[in-house]
Amino acid sequence: EAQVTQNPRYLITVTGKKLTVTCSQNMNHEYMSWYRQDPGLGLRQIYYSMNVEVTDKGDVPEGYKVSRKEKRNFPLILESPSPNQTSLYFCASSPQYTGELFFGEGSRLTVL
Amino acid sequence: GNSVTQMEGPVTLSEEAFLTINCTYTATGYPSLFWYVQYPGEGLQLLLKATKADDKGSNKGFEATYRKETTSFHLEKGSVQVSDSAVYFCALGSQGGSEKLVFGKGTKLTVNP
Repeated sequence: EAQVTQNPRYLITVTGKKLTVTCSQNMNHEYMSWYRQDPGLGLRQIYYSMNVEVTDKGDVPEGYKVSRKEKRNFPLILESPSPNQTSLYFCASSPQYTGELFFGEGSRLTVL
Repeated sequence: GNSVTQMEGPVTLSEEAFLTINCTYTATGYPSLFWYVQYPGEGLQLLLKATKADDKGSNKGFEATYRKETTSFHLEKGSVQVSDSAVYFCALGSQGGSEKLVFGKGTKLTVNP
């Protein structure tokens, strides 16, 4: 089954404790992206990647890192999480960037 | 910069009612336009799209027409069902140095039996 898989789906952590949210797609897509969804703000792009080893900032990259060492994986790294990073995070992919994205089911992160 | 404005919700309708969710955009060039739907507890799914002026996107009984003269892409459905209850997002596709979707804030639709 074609899918984008995120882990963990739910996480409660504390300020400053490094964490990684994994994202993997099995569709051989070149384009991948991370979004965060917050009430009243909709979805905002954090980072995106056009292909392996090519990443770029979105609208809200501060406090996040990404890497794209393999085509299928695009992990989101929070080196020192803060409470303002409490949010619902979505990973998405596309064969090439066309705006037609396949989304994962989301990862709800709470930073205390 | 590019932006999308969609009507604020929540919207509550009875089954078989007519649905309109308004979406207007600001963009340079000729963007593509999309409607995504998010069912409870799930990720977003593409509902329909239009890539140029006067295109009509349609899927699952939903329709939207790309109106360049009014910079709009309103979502419509003639007869909603309880299963249409979800959050709907209008989005604009930008390219050329910033490959991303710009999303509206979402409109929550609840359909009652």
